[in-house]
Amino acid sequence: QTVVTQEPSFSVSPGGTVTLTCGLSSGSVSISHYPSWYQQTPGQAPRTLIYDTNTRSSGVPERFSGALLGNKAALTITGAQADDESDYYCVLYMGRGINVFGAGTKVTVL
Amino acid sequence: QVTLKESGPALVKPTQTLTLTCTFSGFSLSTSEMRASWIRQPPGKALEWLARIDWDDDKFYSTSLKTRLTISKDTSRNQMVLTMTNMDPVDTATYYCARHGRGGHSFDYWGQGTPVTVSS
Repeated sequence: QTVVTQEPSFSVSPGGTVTLTCGLSSGSVSISHYPSWYQQTPGQAPRTLIYDTNTRSSGVPERFSGALLGNKAALTITGAQADDESDYYCVLYMGRGINVFGAGTKVTVL
Repeated sequence: QVTLKESGPALVKPTQTLTLTCTFSGFSLSTSEMRASWIRQPPGKALEWLARIDWDDDKFYSTSLKTRLTISKDTSRNQMVLTMTNMDPVDTATYYCARHGRGGHSFDYWGQGTPVTVSS
């Protein structure tokens, strides 16, 4: 079974830039996987950040951007703020109606 | 305004069947191209997609759980229901329902989640 891979953790300085990636244990991520990204803080429901690779959800700040980088999907936070400290999950569409979440990346801002 | 809210038992015993209901407003699952899913998250662990139902009653399930899951909808009540059979302590999690956004391959609105503990 194909696994969606994410970095376990990242640390970024306030005002800094960090790029999280979302890959596949076998094969490359493409636009046909419709990568999406979600932010979750402890005790809260996820919040949608990016869908269809690079479209920001309504109300999401411009400092969040999505793209394909090489064979992976990527979420970049430019100008990180303290309240960006969260868990970030990517989701890939695998076809036949099936979505798969990555294991998540914990981002620390310090 | 789109809202979703999950409801169901907070505690179930091993081997029992769990039934969860998602009551939503601001959209209809009878509208063309509309889709909604169930997703869960064990304590301290990652999110896991479980099942999806479409406006045309197409249904899709997680490969690893499909033998235990049934998803359904009641469009007259604006509800979506998930049943999971043969519950085990490893199924302890917060269960979320979510609406699929434009294009249908991602989630745009989420419920607040409902915690379920499996214990005797």
